[in-house]
Amino acid sequence: DTEVTQTPKHLVMGMTNKKSLKCEQHMGHRAMYWYKQKAKKPPELMFVYSYEKLSINESVPSRFSPECPNSSLLNLHLHALQPEDSALYLCASSPSRGTGGSGANVLTFGAGSRLTVL
Amino acid sequence: DAKTTQPTSMDCAEGRAANLPCNHSTISGNEYVYWYRQIHSQGPQYIIHGLKNNETNEMASLIITEDRKSSTLILPHATLRDTAVYYCIAYSSYKLIFGSGTRLLVRP
Repeated sequence: DTEVTQTPKHLVMGMTNKKSLKCEQHMGHRAMYWYKQKAKKPPELMFVYSYEKLSINESVPSRFSPECPNSSLLNLHLHALQPEDSALYLCASSPSRGTGGSGANVLTFGAGSRLTVL
Repeated sequence: DAKTTQPTSMDCAEGRAANLPCNHSTISGNEYVYWYRQIHSQGPQYIIHGLKNNETNEMASLIITEDRKSSTLILPHATLRDTAVYYCIAYSSYKLIFGSGTRLLVRP
């Protein structure tokens, strides 16, 4: 299995809702990532997990709450979002946190979850 | 991690080689050059990476200049399915940061 699976593919939520995005990989990767992508812009890094521990938070607002319950799963909990948070949310994984080259830093991305906040 | 500069857009004819340039003049010795692409509304896809030597795989070739200040991604026989945004990234840590990329249009 060489895929990163993200669910749901599409999500519409109100500003008072609580929802979650899910990401799963079965490649034995130990680093997992969340990116946010607005229309016609490059992906922006949000969070990095390494060995199930949060290692990078790119100053993301607290209304986004990541969780890594085990090495195969990554969640992004959403609460009190704003319409400007509407975007494509991408999950990725890599074998480990590497230092370049040797294949250790090749990220495999999922297809994304498209979020619309009303 | 070093900043990269790419043309905003390019086009090429189907069946011809697509040569996508990337400038990374401030790249440091331990930073690799990675290329990803993103087809519309899909997740980014890894293409190839290299440090000093030229690299080739089933998707593309990567040519890195001797001074490592620039590189070229070559798609040898572009197809319509290669229409995408191509990102050149120079980094050494696990913090993969995307620049603006090159939007490649393959014309029939």
